[in-house]
Amino acid sequence: DQQVKQNSPSLSVQEGRISILNCDYTNSMFDYFLWYKKYPAEGPTFLISISSIKDKNEDGRFTVFLNKSAKHLSLHIVPSQPGDSAVYFCAASARNRDDKIIFGKGTRLHILP
Amino acid sequence: ETGVTQTPRHLVMGMTNKKSLKCEQHLGHNAMYWYKQSAKKPLELMFVYSLEERVENNSVPSRFSPECPNSSHLFLHLHTLQPEDSALYLCASSQDRSVGNTIYFGEGSWLTVV
Repeated sequence: DQQVKQNSPSLSVQEGRISILNCDYTNSMFDYFLWYKKYPAEGPTFLISISSIKDKNEDGRFTVFLNKSAKHLSLHIVPSQPGDSAVYFCAASARNRDDKIIFGKGTRLHILP
Repeated sequence: ETGVTQTPRHLVMGMTNKKSLKCEQHLGHNAMYWYKQSAKKPLELMFVYSLEERVENNSVPSRFSPECPNSSHLFLHLHTLQPEDSALYLCASSQDRSVGNTIYFGEGSWLTVV
């Protein structure tokens, strides 16, 4: 049973527009969430994170929103740039329980010219 | 460049071969990890080492054998693998095992078992 779900395997967005990547989780014990970005033939790189005590965290063009009641988080990229084309992994962990980080399957983002 | 280096980047091996994947981190971290990335599956945590001691083994078959000789190096010894073991194997490290510490991944080793 997948605890972290990224239901969209791929997403195409026009350059300059907003990209919204979604992630749902089932474990209410999760209290820390992360997004990783992965280019082909490279390992994932950390992008942005959010603690459950917040509902929004912003870093430049990247903003992560957390809706705890819906067990949903999203990553917004605005404006989208060609270099944003990559696979984005959502991940979650329950710090008070154990320190396993559970990853979603990833969403491939294509930025169209 | 994340500070985590994996070799080889690509490996093709037969089912009867013995090979090893190597990982080195230059970040002064105390925790190191092996992950497996198969097609269309989430990243799977295989092993966790903290201060050179294995602290977690996620039901990984014994044909995968990790070794952590010091806090900077991590190996994954492979023997009698199956074709379904073909995947991208990612090494990672973090300051320690506490969540909240960013995990830094290497570029991965693409393994093909024939």
